[in-house]
Amino acid sequence: QKEVEQNSGPLSVPEGAIASLNCTYSDRGSQSFFWYRQYSGKSPELIMSIYSNGDKEDGRFTAQLNKASQYVSLLIRDSQPSDSATYLCAVRSGGGTSYGKLTFGQGTILTVHP
Amino acid sequence: NAGVMQNPRHLVRRRGQEARLRCSPMKGHSHVYWYRQLPEEGLKFMVYLQKENIIDESGMPKERFSAEFPKEGPSILRIQQVVRGDSAAYFCASSPWTSGGYEQYFGPGTRLTVT
Repeated sequence: QKEVEQNSGPLSVPEGAIASLNCTYSDRGSQSFFWYRQYSGKSPELIMSIYSNGDKEDGRFTAQLNKASQYVSLLIRDSQPSDSATYLCAVRSGGGTSYGKLTFGQGTILTVHP
Repeated sequence: NAGVMQNPRHLVRRRGQEARLRCSPMKGHSHVYWYRQLPEEGLKFMVYLQKENIIDESGMPKERFSAEFPKEGPSILRIQQVVRGDSAAYFCASSPWTSGGYEQYFGPGTRLTVT
């Protein structure tokens, strides 16, 4: 089982729709969860972080965390063609010297078509 | 407010040469992380450093790879005797000392090509 697993893509949605990206993780001790966006040939850009159960909203983005189910998701409302990118789920596990390490999922490619 | 800086942005080395990748963290950040992204693969953690200390090097290959973050100057990722399999994008990220969530911000990366 992969440590961080994202729903297989690619995901294609029409402009203006809601894009839903999902991620599961295997380490129950995980404490921090992040969504990054990566355009082709560019570096990852942090778009959301979430640390406690529930929803966190920032503009058109909503992150949802359910630690009991070991599940984190990202919703993008009113999707725009500029949202077309690879979305990376990242998880920071608990203690010891590995507290700085982020484990990434394989990414989900999102395409928003006009 | 300058972000994370990496240089060079592109580096071409022949097999057997050494590659040195540099990373300057964001102002006020004292934690540095290196990640590698192989073609068609995900981002993989390599090493976590603070000034003059390696905190976690669990993702570093045992041979040929080393990293440092001296008291003065940028963090350096050094790859000795490069092989074709080292061709990848190497990203540096940084986070501030006081960030309870350890949000990491990435630099533009160094694309290493080994010929």
